[in-house]
Amino acid sequence: ETGVTQSPTHLIKTRGQQVTLRCSSQSGHNTVSWYQQALGQGPQFIFQYYREEENGRGNFPPRFSGLQFPNYSSELNVNALELDDSALYLCASSFMAGVETQYFGPGTRLLVL
Amino acid sequence: GQQLNQSPQSMFIQEGEDVSMNCTSSSIFNTWLWYKQDPGEGPVLLIALYKAGELTSNGRLTAQFGITRKDSFLNISASIPSDVGIYFCAGQGGSEKLVFGKGTKLTVNP
Repeated sequence: ETGVTQSPTHLIKTRGQQVTLRCSSQSGHNTVSWYQQALGQGPQFIFQYYREEENGRGNFPPRFSGLQFPNYSSELNVNALELDDSALYLCASSFMAGVETQYFGPGTRLLVL
Repeated sequence: GQQLNQSPQSMFIQEGEDVSMNCTSSSIFNTWLWYKQDPGEGPVLLIALYKAGELTSNGRLTAQFGITRKDSFLNISASIPSDVGIYFCAGQGGSEKLVFGKGTKLTVNP
């Protein structure tokens, strides 16, 4: 177990709705990265937050947004949900931006109908 | 989005056999990582590679960072049932973000 927790574990939404996913970092970690993993695919980098500021973004539209809080927990918000947004959303926490120290949470499974 | 070319997609082997999987990219990477993902869980880091030509072992696992910096392989020796899962390669270039392969699904028959 990594110490990174995510909530909720599963979620069902309909097209056009908005969703907020949450992540609690491992103790001592100040960086959170979010990934989208579609069925049968590898994780795709969405964005990273370091000390409450966005620190890099992948090829995702602006309707994917995030926040990091002073306790280093984080939220991923997705507006105007589309069917293709159905995926496992993973967060990973690390100390600084070091990917080798990145620990993944179990993910939130989102289904958009 | 960008993904690495990982092969094979799936493997069915007998317990005790050795396994080899690899990953290639059109881009140069500074770091190669190998992860394992079990159902209902996030990926867990197995091995990290930082230098071209580097060969690193972790128990029965051995991975190498290709000389061209565009490829990497992972070997698992003497497979056991708990090796079952999906293995992902991931590369990191200058942009700091990780790029993942599509995964290799490993099934081990006892």
